[in-house]
Formats: sequence, C-alpha cells, structure tokens
Amino acid sequence: QVQLEESGGGVVQPGRSLRLSCAASGFNFRSPAMHWVRQAPGKGLEWIAYISHDGINKYYVDSVKGRFTISRDNSRATLYLQMNSLREEDTAVYYCARKKAVTELGLLDYWGQGTLVAVSS
Amino acid sequence: IQMTQSPSTLSASVGDRVALTCRASQSLNNWLAWYQQKPGKAPKLLIYQASTLESGVPSRFSGSGSGTEFTLTIISLQPDDFATYYCQQYNSYPYTFGQGTKLEIK
Repeated sequence: QVQLEESGGGVVQPGRSLRLSCAASGFNFRSPAMHWVRQAPGKGLEWIAYISHDGINKYYVDSVKGRFTISRDNSRATLYLQMNSLREEDTAVYYCARKKAVTELGLLDYWGQGTLVAVSS
Repeated sequence: IQMTQSPSTLSASVGDRVALTCRASQSLNNWLAWYQQKPGKAPKLLIYQASTLESGVPSRFSGSGSGTEFTLTIISLQPDDFATYYCQQYNSYPYTFGQGTKLEIK
C-alpha cells in the first residue's frame, strides 16, 4: 500500500535551517509529482511547494519562495524540503503528499502523517 | 485564488443531511477537491473535479457545483463523519485551500 513517512522536524531557532524528508513506498516514486503542504497549530491547510516527477519543474507559494527548496531523489524514493531562514510563522505540521495520477497538477491523493516544525527562540 | 468556506462550524446529528459550501474568487473550471481531516491525522481526499467520488469513499458523500460555487453534501451522517472538511482549488498554483468547516455532533 502507498506509504509516505515524513521525518526531520523539530525545534529550531529563527533564522536557522532544517531539512525535511519524506520516504515513499508502495508505488513507483519516479512517476508522480509530489507536494509539501503545511498546517499551523489549530489552523487550516496551506500548500507550499510542488515538484514534477523528474525534478525539473518546481513551484512555491510566495511566503516561502527564496527560502525553501523542494527536491527529490528518485533512486532513494525520497522527497525533501530544505528550509532556510526559518521564521516563527513557519511553525506547522509539514505534510508530503502525492499528486493523483492522470489529473491536474495540484490534486493530492495520498498524504503522510506529517512532521512538526517549531520555530522558537 | 481565494477560497471561502461556510459555515465555519456546523452542528448536526447522526442521520442528518448536511451541505457545506465553498466559494472561489474566480472560476475554477471544476478543478475543485474536498478533503476530510480528523484531529491529529492527515487529510483524506473525498471528491475531485467538483463531483467525482474518490475510490473507496462512501456514496453518502457527493459534490456539486461549477464555476465559483461548490457544495459538499453528506446524507445520513455517520459518527465517523464528524471531522473538519476543506475545499481546495487546483486550477492554478498556488493551490489554495478554504479555511475549513468543522462538522460537530449536536
């Protein structure tokens, strides 16, 4: 079955960096595009980044553009999110999600359980 | 694209029929999805392309609407349905979500 497992979250000071990983299994990771979505404590969902199946095309929400970088290693079936210059408002649970096959780019059919990033001094 | 859901909270009883609304700030060409999220869990895809039921989702869930106004309807509410529901537009990036409707037990 499809599984996505995030890791790498934790407590970090403002201005520091963190890299999240998302290990995929149960499907051909080379095929689908992938996304990161976050959810601040007690708040709604916010889409933050997209990467195409081959890693060539990447899109970001404005609030993380220039600070976060999405990447993937298809040989390791792993998705990454490099987060630099972290701010307190980046505090959230970060989910990786798979793009649903044969649909538009932004539709997400499987999600991981999330990893919590807390930015605090 | 801004997504606005109403109501923010809805109280209902088991067996009720409920309708949740989602409005977009511009036309979505029906690229609209609904997700269900329970506390501490990841969202689950229910409906896509405004009205297509995701595989494995019970038929008591249905989606309707077009353009900028969409509805998620749940008939005969079950105890497992009490959760928060989000709409999401995937017409263009950034792929925005509504703020959510929390469905509570009355």
